[in-house]
Amino acid sequence: AQSVAQPEDQVNVAEGNPLTVKCTYSVSGNPYLFWYVQYPNRGLQFLLKYITGDNLVKGSYGFEAEFNKSQTSFHLKKPSALVSDSALYFCAVRDISGGSYIPTFGRGTSLIVHP
Amino acid sequence: GAVVSQHPSWVICKSGTSVKIECRSLDFQATTMFWYRQFPKQSLMLMATSNEGSKATYEQGVEKDKFLINHASLTLSTLTVTSAHPEDSSFYICSARDQKEDYGYTFGSGTRLTVV
Repeated sequence: AQSVAQPEDQVNVAEGNPLTVKCTYSVSGNPYLFWYVQYPNRGLQFLLKYITGDNLVKGSYGFEAEFNKSQTSFHLKKPSALVSDSALYFCAVRDISGGSYIPTFGRGTSLIVHP
Repeated sequence: GAVVSQHPSWVICKSGTSVKIECRSLDFQATTMFWYRQFPKQSLMLMATSNEGSKATYEQGVEKDKFLINHASLTLSTLTVTSAHPEDSSFYICSARDQKEDYGYTFGSGTRLTVV
């Protein structure tokens, strides 16, 4: 079984400050992990993924995420937030050993960056 | 990069009519496509998984006869909402998995359905 949790419904940060959006996961085997961003009335846009290799993954728009196996976390980070980063962020996981191609999505975290 | 085109972006229809939403993978072959429904300020709810040339697999609680899914080719899947009712109003999003890439999922831009 696979599951993912985004413990925060909303994250508020001032422009220019670092931001973190949290994600923890649970899988039976090894995970594929993803972050997506959704702007209003739009589909999801891919930000980054962890498949294997370096635990620190760099993605689009200056975002990065760190895979932490011991803490089963994959938090999304950015050193300096922009107002334009305000959007809904989804973490997703897929268990490699699960035999299914279906990813499980978190409930989403609304990021609000204040000018 | 991989692109998925979803059409229409928005549609308004009368109660009792049917609406078809198309999802096309433009530059890759999608063995598997997923259909999601999203309520305001909520997460994605997986409705069904469609595999090219076979019947869709519906999630528990999703009415097969109401949400007809067809995946006739490696680049096209359609979702038809039959006999639509106001409670079917929602944001529908498709996603496609590139058969060459085991871990890639590309999303369409979504369809806002309003049933009046």
